[in-house]
Amino acid sequence: EVQLVQSGAEVKKPGESLSISCKGSGYSFTDYWINWVRQVPGKGLEWMGRIDPSDSRINYSPAFQGHVTISADKSITTVYLHWSSLKASDSAMYYCTTAHPGGFDYWGQGSLVTVSS
Amino acid sequence: EIVLTQSPATLSLSPGETATLSCRASQSIDYYLAWYQQKPGQAPRLVIYEASKRAPGIPARFSGSGSGTAFTLTITSLEPEDFAVYYCQQRTIRPPLTFGGGTKVEIK
Repeated sequence: EVQLVQSGAEVKKPGESLSISCKGSGYSFTDYWINWVRQVPGKGLEWMGRIDPSDSRINYSPAFQGHVTISADKSITTVYLHWSSLKASDSAMYYCTTAHPGGFDYWGQGSLVTVSS
Repeated sequence: EIVLTQSPATLSLSPGETATLSCRASQSIDYYLAWYQQKPGQAPRLVIYEASKRAPGIPARFSGSGSGTAFTLTITSLEPEDFAVYYCQQRTIRPPLTFGGGTKVEIK
């Protein structure tokens, strides 16, 4: 069974750093890109970027470039989303997702990040 | 960056009616468009990929059409579980893989 399991909810202060994770299982982890998607409560979906776990090629959305870092550790089939200095506006649900051929699309359960002083 | 514009923002319909949702791209994306359904408190669920292909497990009342810059998601004979927010996403090889703003299908 293909699964993406994300790390739990986080509460942080502005200026703090944070990494959240997404662990893939049940498939060949290096075969498919993994995307990160943000959803501010009550708002729409925003594509943040993606990583190819086989060689760590990364594409960022211009809206998020320079504010987050995406990385992967294929040895433990995990990708990360990292902030070095959080802002209140980073408060949101974050999803990892991967698309496989034939319309098979998998999403993590989401990681809720709350940034508040 | 490819911009996707969804309309209408909200669609108020009764069970049994047909929903027609639109997604327009700012430039041609061939058939590389996906539609997602999202219910409150849940992750999005892929409904249609490559403009017209139903994802596994999606009922036949869902259909997608279009190519280039204009796309449509049609849900015939709405069931109570179909009331949700629907998003389109461009899935070409050209990032960013932007989403549309969403259409909420609500019970009238």
